[in-house]
Amino acid sequence: GAVVSQHPSWVICKSGTSVKIECRSLDFQATTMFWYRQFPKQSLMLMATSNEGSKATYEQGVEKDKFLINHASLTLSTLTVTSAHPEDSSFYICSAPDEGGEAFFGQGTRLTVV
Amino acid sequence: AQSVTQPDIHITVSEGASLELRCNYSYGATPYLFWYVQSPGQGLQLLLKYFSGDTLVQGIKGFEAEFKRSQSSFNLRKPSVHWSDAAEYFCAVGLTTDSWGKLQFGAGTQVVVTP
Repeated sequence: GAVVSQHPSWVICKSGTSVKIECRSLDFQATTMFWYRQFPKQSLMLMATSNEGSKATYEQGVEKDKFLINHASLTLSTLTVTSAHPEDSSFYICSAPDEGGEAFFGQGTRLTVV
Repeated sequence: AQSVTQPDIHITVSEGASLELRCNYSYGATPYLFWYVQSPGQGLQLLLKYFSGDTLVQGIKGFEAEFKRSQSSFNLRKPSVHWSDAAEYFCAVGLTTDSWGKLQFGAGTQVVVTP
Protein backbone atom coordinates (compact mmCIF):
# COMPACT_ATOMS: atom_id res chain seq x y z
CA GLY A 1 0.00 0.00 0.00
CA ALA A 2 0.86 3.64 -0.17
CA VAL A 3 3.19 5.14 2.40
CA VAL A 4 2.87 8.43 4.22
CA SER A 5 5.84 9.61 6.23
CA GLN A 6 5.52 12.14 9.01
CA HIS A 7 8.44 13.91 10.64
CA PRO A 8 9.40 14.36 13.40
CA SER A 9 7.94 11.54 15.46
CA TRP A 10 8.20 13.61 18.59
CA VAL A 11 9.30 17.11 19.46
CA ILE A 12 9.68 19.13 22.63
CA CYS A 13 9.69 22.88 22.33
CA LYS A 14 9.63 25.89 24.59
CA SER A 15 6.51 27.92 25.02
CA GLY A 16 6.36 30.74 22.51
CA THR A 17 8.40 29.04 19.81
CA SER A 18 7.15 27.55 16.55
CA VAL A 19 7.30 23.96 15.43
CA LYS A 20 7.02 22.57 11.90
CA ILE A 21 5.71 19.09 11.17
CA GLU A 22 6.13 17.52 7.74
CA CYS A 23 3.86 15.04 6.02
CA ARG A 24 5.07 13.34 2.85
CA SER A 25 3.43 10.89 0.51
CA LEU A 26 6.34 8.72 -0.53
CA ASP A 27 5.03 6.77 -3.50
CA PHE A 28 2.00 8.64 -4.71
CA GLN A 29 0.86 12.17 -5.30
CA ALA A 30 -1.67 13.79 -3.03
CA THR A 31 -3.39 16.98 -4.02
CA THR A 32 -5.18 16.85 -0.70
CA MET A 33 -3.90 15.95 2.73
CA PHE A 34 -5.56 16.11 6.10
CA TRP A 35 -4.31 17.09 9.53
CA TYR A 36 -5.81 15.59 12.67
CA ARG A 37 -5.24 16.21 16.34
CA GLN A 38 -5.60 13.63 19.05
CA PHE A 39 -5.64 14.33 22.77
CA PRO A 40 -4.76 11.51 25.18
CA LYS A 41 -7.36 8.76 25.23
CA GLN A 42 -9.53 10.63 22.76
CA SER A 43 -10.42 10.28 19.13
CA LEU A 44 -8.92 12.02 16.14
CA MET A 45 -10.37 15.40 15.39
CA LEU A 46 -9.95 16.86 11.93
CA MET A 47 -8.15 20.19 12.05
CA ALA A 48 -7.83 21.14 8.41
CA THR A 49 -7.69 20.06 4.81
CA SER A 50 -4.45 20.87 3.06
CA ASN A 51 -4.85 21.68 -0.62
CA GLU A 52 -1.93 21.69 -3.04
CA GLY A 53 -1.60 25.08 -4.67
CA SER A 54 -4.29 26.79 -2.64
CA LYS A 55 -5.22 27.76 0.89
CA ALA A 56 -5.99 25.19 3.51
CA THR A 57 -9.53 24.73 4.71
CA TYR A 58 -9.86 24.81 8.47
CA GLU A 59 -12.51 23.15 10.59
CA GLN A 60 -14.64 25.25 12.84
CA GLY A 61 -12.83 26.31 15.96
CA VAL A 62 -9.31 25.77 14.60
CA GLU A 63 -7.19 28.91 14.58
CA LYS A 64 -5.70 29.27 11.13
CA ASP A 65 -3.12 31.80 12.32
CA LYS A 66 -1.86 29.41 14.95
CA PHE A 67 -1.82 26.30 12.79
CA LEU A 68 -0.24 27.31 9.50
CA ILE A 69 -0.55 24.80 6.69
CA ASN A 70 1.44 24.84 3.51
CA HIS A 71 0.97 22.28 0.75
CA ALA A 72 4.11 23.08 -1.20
CA SER A 73 4.05 20.18 -3.64
CA LEU A 74 2.04 17.12 -4.58
CA THR A 75 3.95 15.08 -2.00
CA LEU A 76 4.49 17.45 0.90
CA SER A 77 2.29 19.27 3.38
CA THR A 78 3.58 21.04 6.46
CA LEU A 79 1.85 22.07 9.65
CA THR A 80 3.48 24.83 11.67
CA VAL A 81 2.31 25.39 15.21
CA THR A 82 3.12 29.03 15.84
CA SER A 83 3.79 30.54 19.25
CA ALA A 84 3.18 27.18 20.84
CA HIS A 85 1.74 26.94 24.33
CA PRO A 86 1.36 23.98 26.67
CA GLU A 87 -2.28 23.54 25.63
CA ASP A 88 -1.05 22.83 22.09
CA SER A 89 0.67 19.71 23.35
CA SER A 90 -0.97 16.84 21.54
CA PHE A 91 -0.53 14.05 19.01
CA TYR A 92 -0.78 15.35 15.45
CA ILE A 93 -1.43 12.95 12.58
CA CYS A 94 -1.62 13.58 8.86
CA SER A 95 -3.26 11.51 6.17
CA ALA A 96 -3.27 11.46 2.40
CA PRO A 97 -5.89 9.69 0.28
CA ASP A 98 -5.08 7.72 -2.79
CA GLU A 99 -7.20 7.82 -5.93
CA GLY A 100 -9.47 5.13 -4.53
CA GLY A 101 -10.40 7.19 -1.50
CA GLU A 102 -8.44 5.20 1.06
CA ALA A 103 -6.61 7.42 3.52
CA PHE A 104 -3.07 6.53 4.49
CA PHE A 105 -1.79 7.88 7.76
CA GLY A 106 1.55 9.10 8.91
CA GLN A 107 3.11 7.78 12.09
CA GLY A 108 2.05 10.83 14.05
CA THR A 109 3.99 13.53 15.88
CA ARG A 110 3.94 13.87 19.64
CA LEU A 111 4.31 17.56 20.45
CA THR A 112 5.15 18.60 23.99
CA VAL A 113 5.34 22.30 24.80
CA VAL A 114 7.15 23.16 28.01
CA ALA B 1 -25.08 16.13 10.35
CA GLN B 2 -22.82 13.13 10.06
CA SER B 3 -21.73 11.19 13.10
CA VAL B 4 -20.00 7.99 14.09
CA THR B 5 -20.87 6.28 17.36
CA GLN B 6 -18.87 3.61 19.09
CA PRO B 7 -21.00 2.76 22.14
CA ASP B 8 -18.32 0.83 23.97
CA ILE B 9 -15.47 2.91 25.34
CA HIS B 10 -13.69 -0.07 26.83
CA ILE B 11 -13.93 -3.83 26.30
CA THR B 12 -12.09 -6.57 28.14
CA VAL B 13 -11.88 -9.95 26.48
CA SER B 14 -10.05 -13.17 27.28
CA GLU B 15 -7.43 -14.42 24.90
CA GLY B 16 -9.02 -16.90 22.52
CA ALA B 17 -12.50 -15.52 22.99
CA SER B 18 -14.47 -13.78 20.28
CA LEU B 19 -14.62 -10.01 19.96
CA GLU B 20 -17.23 -7.70 18.53
CA LEU B 21 -16.89 -3.93 18.38
CA ARG B 22 -19.93 -1.89 17.56
CA CYS B 23 -20.13 1.07 15.23
CA ASN B 24 -23.14 3.06 14.13
CA TYR B 25 -23.03 5.91 11.67
CA SER B 26 -25.21 8.69 10.43
CA TYR B 27 -24.43 10.07 7.00
CA GLY B 28 -26.66 11.45 4.30
CA ALA B 29 -24.85 9.90 1.37
CA THR B 30 -23.54 6.45 0.58
CA PRO B 31 -21.04 5.76 3.33
CA TYR B 32 -17.49 4.66 2.89
CA LEU B 33 -16.67 2.89 6.13
CA PHE B 34 -13.38 2.01 7.75
CA TRP B 35 -11.96 0.34 10.81
CA TYR B 36 -8.53 1.39 12.04
CA VAL B 37 -6.37 0.12 14.88
CA GLN B 38 -3.95 2.24 16.86
CA SER B 39 -1.28 1.02 19.25
CA PRO B 40 -0.11 3.45 21.96
CA GLY B 41 1.79 6.40 20.53
CA GLN B 42 1.47 5.11 17.00
CA GLY B 43 -0.32 6.07 13.85
CA LEU B 44 -3.34 4.28 12.46
CA GLN B 45 -3.39 1.01 10.60
CA LEU B 46 -6.29 0.16 8.34
CA LEU B 47 -7.96 -3.12 9.25
CA LEU B 48 -10.63 -3.13 6.57
CA LYS B 49 -12.91 -0.92 4.53
CA TYR B 50 -16.30 -1.02 2.89
CA PHE B 51 -17.06 0.93 -0.25
CA SER B 52 -19.67 -1.21 -1.99
CA GLY B 53 -20.52 -4.78 -2.92
CA ASP B 54 -20.42 -7.68 -0.50
CA THR B 55 -21.55 -6.43 2.88
CA LEU B 56 -19.27 -8.84 4.75
CA VAL B 57 -15.75 -7.51 4.49
CA GLN B 58 -12.61 -9.40 5.34
CA GLY B 59 -9.63 -7.52 6.68
CA ILE B 60 -6.17 -8.10 7.99
CA LYS B 61 -5.24 -9.94 11.20
CA GLY B 62 -8.33 -12.12 11.01
CA PHE B 63 -10.84 -9.29 11.39
CA GLU B 64 -14.09 -8.96 9.51
CA ALA B 65 -16.92 -6.46 9.51
CA GLU B 66 -20.48 -6.49 8.29
CA PHE B 67 -22.24 -3.50 6.79
CA LYS B 68 -25.93 -3.38 7.63
CA ARG B 69 -27.59 -0.49 5.91
CA SER B 70 -30.92 -0.99 7.67
CA GLN B 71 -29.23 -0.64 11.03
CA SER B 72 -26.64 1.94 9.94
CA SER B 73 -24.04 -0.30 11.48
CA PHE B 74 -20.58 -1.57 10.61
CA ASN B 75 -19.56 -3.88 13.43
CA LEU B 76 -16.10 -5.38 13.64
CA ARG B 77 -15.56 -8.99 14.67
CA LYS B 78 -12.79 -11.43 15.32
CA PRO B 79 -13.48 -15.09 16.19
CA SER B 80 -10.46 -15.62 18.43
CA VAL B 81 -8.56 -12.76 20.01
CA HIS B 82 -4.80 -12.77 20.47
CA TRP B 83 -2.92 -10.81 23.12
CA SER B 84 -1.45 -8.65 20.35
CA ASP B 85 -4.96 -7.40 19.51
CA ALA B 86 -4.94 -5.19 22.59
CA ALA B 87 -5.16 -1.66 21.18
CA GLU B 88 -7.52 1.20 20.42
CA TYR B 89 -9.96 0.65 17.59
CA PHE B 90 -11.57 3.42 15.60
CA CYS B 91 -14.50 3.27 13.24
CA ALA B 92 -14.60 6.02 10.62
CA VAL B 93 -16.86 7.22 7.85
CA GLY B 94 -15.51 8.79 4.70
CA LEU B 95 -17.11 12.17 4.04
CA THR B 96 -17.20 11.58 0.31
CA THR B 97 -19.52 14.44 -0.50
CA ASP B 98 -17.11 16.83 1.17
CA SER B 99 -13.57 15.90 0.28
CA TRP B 100 -12.18 12.63 -0.97
CA GLY B 101 -10.33 10.89 1.85
CA LYS B 102 -11.73 13.10 4.61
CA LEU B 103 -12.76 11.00 7.59
CA GLN B 104 -14.88 11.42 10.65
CA PHE B 105 -13.92 9.13 13.48
CA GLY B 106 -15.82 7.54 16.30
CA ALA B 107 -14.63 7.99 19.86
CA GLY B 108 -12.76 4.70 19.79
CA THR B 109 -12.96 1.46 21.76
CA GLN B 110 -10.09 0.38 23.99
CA VAL B 111 -9.63 -3.39 23.88
CA VAL B 112 -7.88 -5.13 26.73
CA VAL B 113 -6.96 -8.78 26.35
CA THR B 114 -6.57 -10.89 29.48
CA PRO B 115 -4.71 -14.21 29.68
